Amino acid sequence: KAGVTQTPRYLIKTRGQQVTLSCSPISGHRSVSWYQQTPGQGLQFLFEYFSETQRNKGNFPGRFSGRQFSNSRSEMNVSTLELGDSALYLCASSEDWGANVLTFGAGSRLTVL
Amino acid sequence: AQSVTQLDSQVPVFEEAPVELRCNYSSSVSVYLFWYVQYPNQGLQLLLKYLSGSTLVKGINGFEAEFNKSQTSFHLRKPSVHISDTAEYFCAVSEAGSARQLTFGSGTQLTVLP
Repeated sequence: KAGVTQTPRYLIKTRGQQVTLSCSPISGHRSVSWYQQTPGQGLQFLFEYFSETQRNKGNFPGRFSGRQFSNSRSEMNVSTLELGDSALYLCASSEDWGANVLTFGAGSRLTVL
Repeated sequence: AQSVTQLDSQVPVFEEAPVELRCNYSSSVSVYLFWYVQYPNQGLQLLLKYLSGSTLVKGINGFEAEFNKSQTSFHLRKPSVHISDTAEYFCAVSEAGSARQLTFGSGTQLTVLP
């Protein structure tokens, strides 16, 4: 079974731009979560999607948004990028709502200049 | 809300020596507990989990952890480490049976020395 696939793996943007990151979950997994990892704040929960609906949201500004498609693939978007948005963005999937075991992808490393 | 404290940010240890990485959590409700490992330029890999039942949990790569409810701890142990165990280790907690968002500790960098 293929793992969680995140694209792109690396990207560089400038302040004020927007970015879209993609996540393809493990086949059969219907729940997708996103996390931000930075040296200063560590790993922080962004949001979780199940059946195309956002189920939970972390404490991030509205510039951070996401969506999930009918095939369970998910995208997250960050608008009006700030230097502090530079981070590793990790996507994780799990089989079902309520299941607690997440399988993580390798991440998308965003650098904002 | 839950919180996780990993007491050691860096742990150096010689190859074939035992190691313990410490994790304490705080929560007003029942929790699930996890240990993840992250190798350079990679995502997180699940080492082991405690959901219910036996408090001694065995995971991959020879790691084990013990859930201690009275001390609110979930320390990770390995009797003999290898160079390949060098990585960052994260303890995480989630509320049992409901929302699955994980709260992570700040991580412990384990460095195995030859």
